[in-house]
Amino acid sequence: QSALTQPASVSGSPGQSITISCTGTSSDVGAYKYVTWYQHHAGKAPKLIIYDVSYRPSGVSNRFSGSKSGNTASLTISRLQAEDEADYYCTSYTSSYTYVFGSGTKVNVL
Amino acid sequence: QVQLVQSGAEVKEPGTSVKISCKASGYIFSNYHIHWVRQAPGQGLEWMGIIKARTGITIYIQKLQGRVTMTRDTSTSTGYMELSSLRSDDTAMYFCLRELPDTYYFDSWGQGTLVTVSS
Repeated sequence: QSALTQPASVSGSPGQSITISCTGTSSDVGAYKYVTWYQHHAGKAPKLIIYDVSYRPSGVSNRFSGSKSGNTASLTISRLQAEDEADYYCTSYTSSYTYVFGSGTKVNVL
Repeated sequence: QVQLVQSGAEVKEPGTSVKISCKASGYIFSNYHIHWVRQAPGQGLEWMGIIKARTGITIYIQKLQGRVTMTRDTSTSTGYMELSSLRSDDTAMYFCLRELPDTYYFDSWGQGTLVTVSS
């Protein structure tokens, strides 16, 4: 099972919006609504920010939003803030009853 | 509050085994699946496998089958992940995670356990 494809890095200035893509296959991202996004600050445990493609857990800022089209899911961060600088990972359930993570995207706030 | 507390860092020689524990608190342990994920230095996250909540059924990623064993002790609310025949590329931070069955996401993570494989 190959990792889902994410851009290595995405940059933006405070207040801007950025979008991170997550491309899989018809056996994972394209097959299920079970796409999840995690925010990972170095040295800390990853934090769930989006589940089921577009749902935010309680307490997560509404600046984070998710969507999916075909085999590609996307995470958009609006009104970018310095605290958003972190690594972001998507993950998807697969037709093999397993899970696959994305390759990870480093978000840089300029 | 929900906590997953993992055992401490390990240094192992190639060819040996490591067993990491993940003690849960703040919720009913047997009601949640436990997953294990690892992150090698400078690399992304890799899902390793799951031990399911009520049945204890395990599913492992194909590349680790034969070397990984996930178990649990419901009496102590502790999950375990044992990896054998260690190689240098098993050097990684290992995380345990929980999932409420049929939600397909991980809502709580352990703090991580660093395993270093070196001669």
